[in-house]
Amino acid sequence: KQEVTQIPAALSVPEGENLVLNCSFTDSAIYNLQWFRQDPGKGLTSLLLIQSSQREQTSGRLNASLDKSSGRSTLYIAASQPGDSATYLCAVWGNAGNNRKLIWGLGTSLAVNP
Amino acid sequence: ETGVTQTPRHLVMGMTNKKSLKCEQHLGHNAMYWYKQSAKKPLELMFVYSLEERVENNSVPSRFSPECPNSSHLFLHLHTLQPEDSALYLCASSQVWTGEEQYFGPGTRLTVT
Repeated sequence: KQEVTQIPAALSVPEGENLVLNCSFTDSAIYNLQWFRQDPGKGLTSLLLIQSSQREQTSGRLNASLDKSSGRSTLYIAASQPGDSATYLCAVWGNAGNNRKLIWGLGTSLAVNP
Repeated sequence: ETGVTQTPRHLVMGMTNKKSLKCEQHLGHNAMYWYKQSAKKPLELMFVYSLEERVENNSVPSRFSPECPNSSHLFLHLHTLQPEDSALYLCASSQVWTGEEQYFGPGTRLTVT
């Protein structure tokens, strides 16, 4: 059964720092992996989607990497800003059977302090 | 309106009430989803509709009843809920059912008293 873990659960950094959020999954047979952002009490915004055949995706100051064999993904945020404060969620699509749905982590709550 | 919209944004209901949550997507997608988000738990997939047919029902109690009249609209009918059903209910859509990027609405914050 696929499980997704995100570390750390919470992170507080000063503005301007580069930071890394981690996501690990137990079953490497995935179809793709998505990173989302959620602001307090609101819906989710898709940030990056990495197909299983890809190693990384970039969007602006965000870079997500995927290492399927080790069951890990990282989300790198460059030059963090207070507006980046939110919860970041990782989710993986399984590619067969009971895993044919998005399996979610609990998220990393990020606070970027001015 | 663009993207995925949900109404109402906030709902307080008693355990004997009947209410409905509405979701509408303006993206031309063929799949729609209901999720439940509770504190300290991963998102729970409740229902999936693909081309207006229910394709997934993850052991959700019968007090939650989904309806998908067309590919743009999704409802969640609620009746005789319990306090533990209080949560953020999120609607999402994607081009096709599996493996595609999902787009989320802002959610309905439900409180059951």
